[in-house]
Amino acid sequence: GAVVSQHPSWVICKSGTSVKIECRSLDFQATTMFWYRQFPKQSLMLMATSNEGSKATYEQGVEKDKFLINHASLTLSTLTVTSAHPEDSSFYICSARSSPNRVDKNIQYFGAGTRLSVL
Amino acid sequence: EDKVVQSPLSLVVHEGDTVTLNCSYEVTNFRSLLWYKQEKKAPTFLFMLTSSGIEKKSGRLSSILDKKELFSILNITATQTGDSAVYLCAVDYGGSQGNLIFGKGTKLSVKP
Repeated sequence: GAVVSQHPSWVICKSGTSVKIECRSLDFQATTMFWYRQFPKQSLMLMATSNEGSKATYEQGVEKDKFLINHASLTLSTLTVTSAHPEDSSFYICSARSSPNRVDKNIQYFGAGTRLSVL
Repeated sequence: EDKVVQSPLSLVVHEGDTVTLNCSYEVTNFRSLLWYKQEKKAPTFLFMLTSSGIEKKSGRLSSILDKKELFSILNITATQTGDSAVYLCAVDYGGSQGNLIFGKGTKLSVKP
């Protein structure tokens, strides 16, 4: 399989501040990465699709100005939660999709997730 | 509306038991079905299924897809306590970027 690294694993911040989460594909290039949010005992909800070199595609109901996504290279996507509030507290997980020319093509590999707590 | 439904939502078994987890789906443009295991943090990839009737196997885990009846099963034989996790089923519903829709998961607890 492939390795996806996500940092930080846990962050606590004050209300009104911004938090940046990084997602890196360590041993493969990923033109497409995904950002999910997971509430306790719920499944993963797709927030947005991040494409290298272009704007992210957001799911309905996700505020693009609040959740800024940048995919500056083939191995790095970042999610910035701007002006975070307590209701933004959640578990955020990224994934990177393996390219079609790999043996394990088109599989999403997940990072370890980031637990965000907004006070 | 596209959806993925997993059953049961939770399951408690004893070591050595065999379990079968179910996943049914309704999507517009099915491309593939994936199984993941989620312990404390990141979901780890188990299987990707694209064709009906072809069993995928990895050690004590196996999975098969039925595209006519729109479901998949994940079997775990001779369960161990280390198999305790949430098992997630996800379907690639044919979006241009390979987006997945996830089921709610089955929480498996294996008792010693």
